[in-house]
Order: sequence, then C-alpha cells, then structure tokens
Amino acid sequence: EAQVTQNPRYLITVTGKKLTVTCSQNMNHEYMSWYRQDPGLGLRQIYYSMNVEVTDKGDVPEGYKVSRKEKRNFPLILESPSPNQTSLYFCASSFFGGSSEAFFGQGTRLTVV
Amino acid sequence: GESVGLHLPTLSVQEGDNSIINCAYSNSASDYFIWYKQESGKGPQFIIDIRSNMDKRQGQRVTVLLNKTVKHLSLQIAATQPGDSAVYFCATHTGGFKTIFGAGTRLFVKA
Repeated sequence: EAQVTQNPRYLITVTGKKLTVTCSQNMNHEYMSWYRQDPGLGLRQIYYSMNVEVTDKGDVPEGYKVSRKEKRNFPLILESPSPNQTSLYFCASSFFGGSSEAFFGQGTRLTVV
Repeated sequence: GESVGLHLPTLSVQEGDNSIINCAYSNSASDYFIWYKQESGKGPQFIIDIRSNMDKRQGQRVTVLLNKTVKHLSLQIAATQPGDSAVYFCATHTGGFKTIFGAGTRLFVKA
C-alpha cells in the first residue's frame, strides 16, 4: 500500500530536549516536505527536499532542521524545542514537487511544555 | 507576501444539496491549484487539481472552477453526503517547489 508513515503520532516533551520526528514514504517520490498545522493558519511549509541531499527552507523554518540521506526518509529535527513549536506536524511526498498531488502522513501531535 | 485565503471558515449544508467552497489567492503567477480534504485525525487527502491553462475540471461529484482574472478558485461538491463532512483546503503552487495552503473551510453536512 502506498503510504507516508510518520512516527511518533503523539509526543509530549520538555523545552530544550532534542527530538526527531521520522517520516518514510514507499512510493519512490523525489519530493518530500514538512508542514505544521495550527488553528486558523492552515498548513505552513517548514522545509522541503527535492531529492537526496537537496533541501530548502519553507515559510517557517526557524527552530527546525531536516536531512535527506535516503530517498525514502525525511526526518524533522527539533534541536531545542520551545512551547511555540507545539503543533500538529505533517510530512508529505509527491512526484513533482508542488506541481503534483501530495500524499500526507497521519500527522504527529507535538506538545512542548 | 503571497497568501491563499478562504472566504468562509465554516459552511453548513443539507444532505443532498450542492456545496460550494471558495478560495482566493494573491499571486497571479500561480500555475497549479489543488483541493485537499482533511477528516478528523487524518492527514489531508487529494481531491482534485487544476492547472492554470484550464478554467474547469470535473471529477466524481466534484468540480473545480478557476477564475484567473479575479484570482479565485472554487470547489463544488454535488449531492453532498455526510461523509463529505471535513475541512477543505485549497493550495496553490507558483513555479519552484513551494506550496501555499489556505486556512481551510470546515464543511458540516446536516442529515
């Protein structure tokens, strides 16, 4: 089954404790991206990757890092989480970047206390 | 900066009626437009898309209309069903690799 898998689905952490949210896709897509979803703001793009070892900032990259060492994986790293990063996070992948439909993961609800 | 906005944060329709969800975008260079549906507890799911060289595209019970003159996009759902209850997002793409999402419209379907 074609899918994008994120882990964990839920995470509560404390300010400053480094964490990684994993994302994996099995569709051989070149393009992957991370979004955060906050009430009333829709989805805002954090980072995206056009291919292995190629990443770029989205609209809200501050406080986040990403890496793309393999085509299928695109982890999101919060080196020092802060409460304003409490949000619902989605990973997505697609064939042709923003010009083709994106497949989304189930989401990761992160709470930073 | 570039923005995508929806006209109504919520929409309530009677089961069996047609629904129309609207979206306005700011960048006239936007060349690809997508509608996503997000059910509670799930990630957004692709519904239908349209490119800037078209003004209408139809799918199964859904139609997307694009008016580039006024930078307006709409999603029409025919014979709305309870399973259509969800949040609907429009998204625009302008060259490159960035996608801009609107804030979403929550559709309530009354039985």
